[in-house]
Amino acid sequence: EPEVTQTPSHQVTQMGQEVILRCVPISNHLYFYWYRQILGQKVEFLVSFYNNEISEKSEIFDDQFSVERPDGSNFTLKIRSTKLEDSAMYFCASRLWVVPNTGELFFGEGSRLTVL
Amino acid sequence: EDKVVQSPLSLVVHEGDTVTLNCSYEVTNFRSLLWYKQEKKAPTFLFMLTSSGIEKKSGRLSSILDKKELFSILNITATQTGDSAVYLCAVGTSTYKYIFGTGTRLKVLA
Repeated sequence: EPEVTQTPSHQVTQMGQEVILRCVPISNHLYFYWYRQILGQKVEFLVSFYNNEISEKSEIFDDQFSVERPDGSNFTLKIRSTKLEDSAMYFCASRLWVVPNTGELFFGEGSRLTVL
Repeated sequence: EDKVVQSPLSLVVHEGDTVTLNCSYEVTNFRSLLWYKQEKKAPTFLFMLTSSGIEKKSGRLSSILDKKELFSILNITATQTGDSAVYLCAVGTSTYKYIFGTGTRLKVLA
């Protein structure tokens, strides 16, 4: 069964360092997402991406964050200068283009980021 | 502001009990409502609902949507310990994002 894969599963970093979280969405999917979940809290939308550009982003997704699809398979989230409050589980998700703009999200297993 | 609210926040039941989880929403341009089960890490998909009044069923789980009253319920009958998880409700809008509720933490005791 096709799946969304994420690396690394866990990353520990020092405050102020840059991190890149990687995702390989399901191959025929066209919409890609990053969500985060701070421990014990709800899943929060960060950004959606379609046709090689950001479709929508939340207020959490400030200038410290960026996304990229550098090749035909990877989808990355970069945090330029990590803060303590960036510690969370980051989920990548993908969705097949379905008319009329509905469809389930398929989630990866997540990348746990710990900022010290 | 778009909002998805789930209740109860947590629930403890015994095996064999039936539970009903609630999800209410206030969003602009509703498109779909999705239920997920989250055990250890990634949410796994349960149901997608787009039309009112049509029950979706999978084994002991079922769900229904009311677009007039803006809510959905997820029912689990004859609960088992393996049903213990956080159940998430997410609403898809006509923009590209899906908004999640806080989840209901279900614990089923043997």
